[in-house]
Amino acid sequence: DQQVKQNSPSLSVQEGRISILNCDYTNSMFDYFLWYKKYPAEGPTFLISISSIKDKNEDGRFTVFLNKSAKHLSLHIVPSQPGDSAVYFCAARYGNKLVFGAGTILRVKS
Amino acid sequence: NAGVTQTPKFQVLKTGQSMTLQCAQDMNHEYMSWYRQDPGMGLRLIHYSVGAGITDQGEVPNGYNVSRSTTEDFPLRLLSAAPSQTSVYFCASSYRELYEQYFGPGTRLTVT
Repeated sequence: DQQVKQNSPSLSVQEGRISILNCDYTNSMFDYFLWYKKYPAEGPTFLISISSIKDKNEDGRFTVFLNKSAKHLSLHIVPSQPGDSAVYFCAARYGNKLVFGAGTILRVKS
Repeated sequence: NAGVTQTPKFQVLKTGQSMTLQCAQDMNHEYMSWYRQDPGMGLRLIHYSVGAGITDQGEVPNGYNVSRSTTEDFPLRLLSAAPSQTSVYFCASSYRELYEQYFGPGTRLTVT
């Protein structure tokens, strides 16, 4: 039973355009959400996060939106750059644990 | 500051062998954890620790043991390796509140 779902295995976007990565969750007890980026043969690196009491958090080209009623969060990357090509994982915190989605492969074409 | 280090980077085991994956961090983080990454399944939590002497199970703990005798080190032991344990293993650390985790570079394990 996957509590955190990333339903799009991959996404392809033109350089300069917006990338939107989506994540859905089922557990209403999650209180904090994070996005990680992972390049091949490296460990994931933290990108941006949002508390469940907020609906938006912005950091440079990256914005995360949280819709609690829909149990949905999204990561917007504007403008997308070729170096953004990676696997993106969303994660949700419950107590002492993080639950991760399966990841979305983002390819930014130049 | 080395961050989170893991050894070895690659390992091949035969079924039934045991081994220990090493993980160390130099950021004085209370929280450390082990994940495995399998295709199409994201990162799944194996075991975690909220401080020296305290460990707990994650989502997929069977076949693995951990201990935390110091703040810096959190080794993962495979007791009797099985092909189902072929995976990439990541160690991570963070402050107690889990606002952000720092990951090591991973260990790619193959069990034949």
